[in-house]
Amino acid sequence: DVKVTQSSRYLVKRTGEKVFLECVQDMDHENMFWYRQDPGLGLRLIYFSYDVKMKEKGDIPEGYSVSREKKERFSLILESASTNQTSMYLCASSYPEGVYEQYFGPGTRLTVT
Amino acid sequence: DQQVKQNSPSLSVQEGRISILNCDYTNSMFDYFLWYKKYPAEGPTFLISISSIKDKNEDGRFTVFLNKSAKHLSLHIVPSQPGDSAVYFCAASGNFGNEKLTFGTGTRLTIIP
Repeated sequence: DVKVTQSSRYLVKRTGEKVFLECVQDMDHENMFWYRQDPGLGLRLIYFSYDVKMKEKGDIPEGYSVSREKKERFSLILESASTNQTSMYLCASSYPEGVYEQYFGPGTRLTVT
Repeated sequence: DQQVKQNSPSLSVQEGRISILNCDYTNSMFDYFLWYKKYPAEGPTFLISISSIKDKNEDGRFTVFLNKSAKHLSLHIVPSQPGDSAVYFCAASGNFGNEKLTFGTGTRLTIIP
């Protein structure tokens, strides 16, 4: 079974703090993704990565950056957290080219106060 | 610009009856469609998919129908069971040279015992 783990289930941070969300997958997947889920907006793609050290912007990259130093690990960074970044953050991974099913982690509920 | 739309935010169905969840898309380049199921405090899990070369795909109680001319897909669950109560997301991808998914806003399905 594919396993995608996220470092925290719940996180509370203050405005202006730098926040790191970590995601690890154990299936040697090339592709990894970060989404946020908000009521009425569904899942929106923040960033994705096809390989180590490679990253591409998704639909809502503003205020976020990512890091992928190892194949199994994909980090989402909020450089200066703001209240509008309070959300559920979901990490996913998938096999390489031609396979679309993505496997998700349990999510991190981030609250910025 | 919402390229994948789920116009019903919620749906209630009696246990044992058929649940029909709908999804519309606008991008004619999409050629692969997926349904995901999400329980609270968990990540989405892949349910069923369909390629644009087919108009129907069945897996047990779940059937997905695709109408390319109408740019519409639907998920049928029959018979509906209490464990089917969850949020359902449809997603789409295309031959864009990447495996990025575009998700809908979700439909909360409640099965009434």
